[in-house]
Amino acid sequence: DAGITQSPRHKVTETGTPVTLRCHQTENHRYMYWYRQDPGHGLRLIHYSYGVKDTDKGEVSDGYSVSRSKTEDFLLTLESATSSQTSVYFCASGSSDSSYEQYFGPGTRLTVT
Amino acid sequence: ELKVEQNPLFLSMQEGKNYTIYCNYSTTSDRLYWYRQDPGKSLESLFVLLSNGAVKQEGRLMASLDTKARLSTLHITAAVHDLSATYFCAVDPGNQFYFGTGTSLTVIP
Repeated sequence: DAGITQSPRHKVTETGTPVTLRCHQTENHRYMYWYRQDPGHGLRLIHYSYGVKDTDKGEVSDGYSVSRSKTEDFLLTLESATSSQTSVYFCASGSSDSSYEQYFGPGTRLTVT
Repeated sequence: ELKVEQNPLFLSMQEGKNYTIYCNYSTTSDRLYWYRQDPGKSLESLFVLLSNGAVKQEGRLMASLDTKARLSTLHITAAVHDLSATYFCAVDPGNQFYFGTGTSLTVIP
């Protein structure tokens, strides 16, 4: 299994506060992704990265920003959390060497009150 | 808008029976992936299908891909309780995955 960790694993925050979620991978994968999972929607892509400092928007990027300053780290920031951002967030990584297969982290459960 | 549809969304089946989960998608893609998710857990990769006609089998699960029909199937043979989980397909038409909404499978003893 690819070594992907996420921190924190659980977080409760108040509406309007900034939140940063961290994803760390030890596989030297070029590509990294942030998804959110909500009942009835499967997984939806928020942002992805195809290299250090190279990022792009996914399907549901409004209200989120990302940064990737090192190959192994991909940060997701909610600038001003809203209750609609309560969700489970998954990070994934992959490379062309493994047919772009994505390996997922354990997830972060975020609750915005 | 790209769509990935799975059928059925919910499946309850008896141990020992066979069944097929379908994944239809609306765009051209030669790459399709199947994942399994247990409740409260992350996603685990099951199969990577990379070309038309690809077939892969692991234990009681077999996945196939028909890119012309834009259809993938996940066939379950002689189901056992341990296969109870949610199964997702995902297509990769370019530089990102699009996931289906998942099929929640419950195998009843």
